[in-house]
Amino acid sequence: DIVMTQSPDSLAVSLGERATINCKSSQSVLYSSNNENYLAWYQQKPGQPPKLLIYWASTRESGVPDRFSGSGSGTDFTLTISSLQAEDVAVYYCQQYYNTPRTFGGGTKVEIK
Amino acid sequence: QVQLQESGPGLVKPSQTLSLTCTVSGGSISSGSYYWSWIRQPAGKGLEWIGRLYTSGGTNYNPSLKSRVTISADTSENQFSLKLSSVTAADTAVYYCAREGGYWNPLDYWGQGTLVTVSS
Repeated sequence: DIVMTQSPDSLAVSLGERATINCKSSQSVLYSSNNENYLAWYQQKPGQPPKLLIYWASTRESGVPDRFSGSGSGTDFTLTISSLQAEDVAVYYCQQYYNTPRTFGGGTKVEIK
Repeated sequence: QVQLQESGPGLVKPSQTLSLTCTVSGGSISSGSYYWSWIRQPAGKGLEWIGRLYTSGGTNYNPSLKSRVTISADTSENQFSLKLSSVTAADTAVYYCAREGGYWNPLDYWGQGTLVTVSS
């Protein structure tokens, strides 16, 4: 199984400031034949299912605000919220879809400072 | 717009079989190249992928649960189901059904989830 490790477990950021979440996979999720990283980010608010934010490591899902961005390749990835809004308080998960079983990171809780 | 809705008993006794159904609306589970998945989340914890079904043939299961899991489809009802046998308290969780957009795709549509408690 590919192990996904997120850091930090939680972070508190002031409104309007940048939030950065890291995700590391135990093996590369870059598929060489198409140069795509099989890595997604999800946002989960309390009492709700996860919501797809970003896929192929850096492609925003339709309707996702452009303050959310993804970067990285191979085994190291980052989700950045450029200017934190109150509605961004949530737990964020990375997930690899390079192979089965699909695996998720442990989650990062983002709060307002 | 695709919508998924889980249903089933909220309480299951230890050693029995957990059975859940996911009803899909807004699209046929038989069309396209979609995979239909189950994921669970214990209270206050992270997400665990259980497995997925491709209605044209084939399932993939998490090896950690494979001996106890069956995912199947009822295309006439546009539903797919999860059976998890020999449950224990460790199987208590919110269970989500979701759609993968293709063989190598993320989970793009999710149900609201249903809490299943394993207790006598």
